[in-house]
Amino acid sequence: QQQVKQSPQSLIVQKGGISIINCAYENTAFDYFPWYQQFPGKGPALLIAIRPDVSEKKEGRFTISFNKSAKQFSLHIMDSQPGDSATYFCAASRSGATNKLIFGTGTLLAVQP
Amino acid sequence: NAGVTQTPKFQVLKTGQSMTLQCAQDMNHNSMYWYRQDPGMGLRLIYYSASEGTTDKGEVPNGYNVSRLNKREFSLRLESAAPSQTSVYFCASSETSGSQETQYFGPGTRLLVL
Repeated sequence: QQQVKQSPQSLIVQKGGISIINCAYENTAFDYFPWYQQFPGKGPALLIAIRPDVSEKKEGRFTISFNKSAKQFSLHIMDSQPGDSATYFCAASRSGATNKLIFGTGTLLAVQP
Repeated sequence: NAGVTQTPKFQVLKTGQSMTLQCAQDMNHNSMYWYRQDPGMGLRLIYYSASEGTTDKGEVPNGYNVSRLNKREFSLRLESAAPSQTSVYFCASSETSGSQETQYFGPGTRLLVL
């Protein structure tokens, strides 16, 4: 049972465009939603994260939008650059669960020059 | 400050062989994790350790054992490797700062079981 569903599986965006990756979760006890970025041959690294007390969080060109009622959250990459080409994973966890993250299946983003 | 280190980087095993994947972190984190990453499956938690001396099963623990040797080191052992254990294995450690919880991942161990 996939507790965190991520789409699309892959995404091609032109340089300067907006990349949008979506995730949906099932467990209403989840209260922490990070996004991780992974470059080929490397381990994932935290990109940005949100808690349900806000509907949006922005850090530079990266924005998380959160819809608690729909149990969905998304990552928006504005002005996408070739250096953003990577695999992106959404994840979810609940407080008191020792940071046990449940990851989505990943989205391979390619930003074309 | 090396962060999270893993050894070996690559390993080829025959079915039935055993091996131990090593992980160490120098960030003084209490919690450590082992994940496996397979195409189309994302990262799945194998085992985790909330603190020195404690370990707990994650989502896919079958076929694995772990040891939290001390605060720095967390090893993953395959007693009798199977082709289904061919994967990329990541170790991570975590810290909480304010409302943000960050897991720091190592570079991974690529394992092929023939």
